[in-house]
Amino acid sequence: SQQGEEDPQALSIQEGENATMNCSYKTSINNLQWYRQNSGRGLVHLILIRSNEREKHSGRLRVTLDTSKKSSSLLITASRAADTASYFCATSLTGGGNKLTFGTGTQLKVEL
Amino acid sequence: DTGVSQDPRHKITKRGQNVTFRCDPISEHNRLYWYRQTLGQGPEFLTYFQNEAQLEKSRLLSDRFSAERPKGSFSTLEIQRTEQGDSAMYLCASSSTGLNQPQHFGDGTRLSIL
Repeated sequence: SQQGEEDPQALSIQEGENATMNCSYKTSINNLQWYRQNSGRGLVHLILIRSNEREKHSGRLRVTLDTSKKSSSLLITASRAADTASYFCATSLTGGGNKLTFGTGTQLKVEL
Repeated sequence: DTGVSQDPRHKITKRGQNVTFRCDPISEHNRLYWYRQTLGQGPEFLTYFQNEAQLEKSRLLSDRFSAERPKGSFSTLEIQRTEQGDSAMYLCASSSTGLNQPQHFGDGTRLSIL
């Protein structure tokens, strides 16, 4: 079963705009990871944020984590057409071994 | 840079046949994971290995499914007596040992059951 939900399910923006995706989860976590998936391909790891961290940056990506609200957000700044993909959050649950539990994903479309 | 490699990329078979998929992880990674992804959904965990030991299996992994990692390097996932509901993308990932290690995924094997 899925751990949580991404919001929105789909997002369409113009190139150059920022894209924000949200992820909620249900139980205590070790870390939360964001992945990108292009159609028909595997998942590309974007960023990992530990449960004791609140914000992380990587290039044009900014991830926040609020463990009190059990939520995370992914911000992509200055989006490009090449950012068009599905984005998934995945949690490594406390006491859950090392398996990842994925959300349902956000489909991002960046138009020229 | 050699990533996770999966073979074949696509497999089409008739219901009732057996299929086997292979995954070659990143060479220095001890941990290897299998996930299944159906259309419009996020991946779901199936099983994982640390070296050659299979440490956890999901309830999704019925007795028709078996996974091995005989020498702690590549892994195989076999599905016996395939059913329509087995149609999905089967994804393999690997990671280093440790609590907060990212998992790196292959491009998957897409299985279609006729």
